[in-house]
Amino acid sequence: QKEVEQNSGPLSVPEGAIASLNCTYSDRGSQSFFWYRQYSGKSPELIMFIYSNGDKEDGRFTAQLNKASQYVSLLIRDSQPSDSATYLCAVKSGGSYIPTFGRGTSLIVHP
Amino acid sequence: DVKVTQSSRYLVKRTGEKVFLECVQDMDHENMFWYRQDPGLGLRLIYFSYDVKMKEKGDIPEGYSVSREKKERFSLILESASTNQTSMYLCASSSNAGGARETQYFGPGTRLLVL
Repeated sequence: QKEVEQNSGPLSVPEGAIASLNCTYSDRGSQSFFWYRQYSGKSPELIMFIYSNGDKEDGRFTAQLNKASQYVSLLIRDSQPSDSATYLCAVKSGGSYIPTFGRGTSLIVHP
Repeated sequence: DVKVTQSSRYLVKRTGEKVFLECVQDMDHENMFWYRQDPGLGLRLIYFSYDVKMKEKGDIPEGYSVSREKKERFSLILESASTNQTSMYLCASSSNAGGARETQYFGPGTRLLVL
């Protein structure tokens, strides 16, 4: 059984701080890693994709992947109240059509 | 931009009714998926399809069926709706092209209430 674990939160950070969201996975054959943001009542939208060990930056977002330790994290710099949402981690093995989703971490950014 | 559309945003049905949820994608994706999402349970895969007329059961297929007659369209059918099928239903599509192109893109969701 492939598992993806996330702390459900809520993670509460002040505006302007760095929010750090973590995700661990069980399948060592995992090759593709996705972070989605989901606002309440809306559908998930992709914010980051990563497949190589190390960091990948896109604006205020940085994804960090460590395959040896089987974790992937998402850092949000200069957090804004508009970043308040649930963040879903998804992991996909090579040759599989279907990613495995974590249950998500709720982030609250307070002014 | 990838666009995935779903036929209804909100739907109210009676127990025992047959319910059709339709999903259309415009990016020529091979794969299409139906999930339901409930508080505390995360996304659960109902069915997926990797080609026209092909379908595979996901984690919770009981009480559901699907149809994919055209590449761009994937329908979810609740044969006889029950109150425990009240949920948010999300359709998604993805490509087999590799790398980031295998990202799943989601439709806006259908919130179904079964009375």
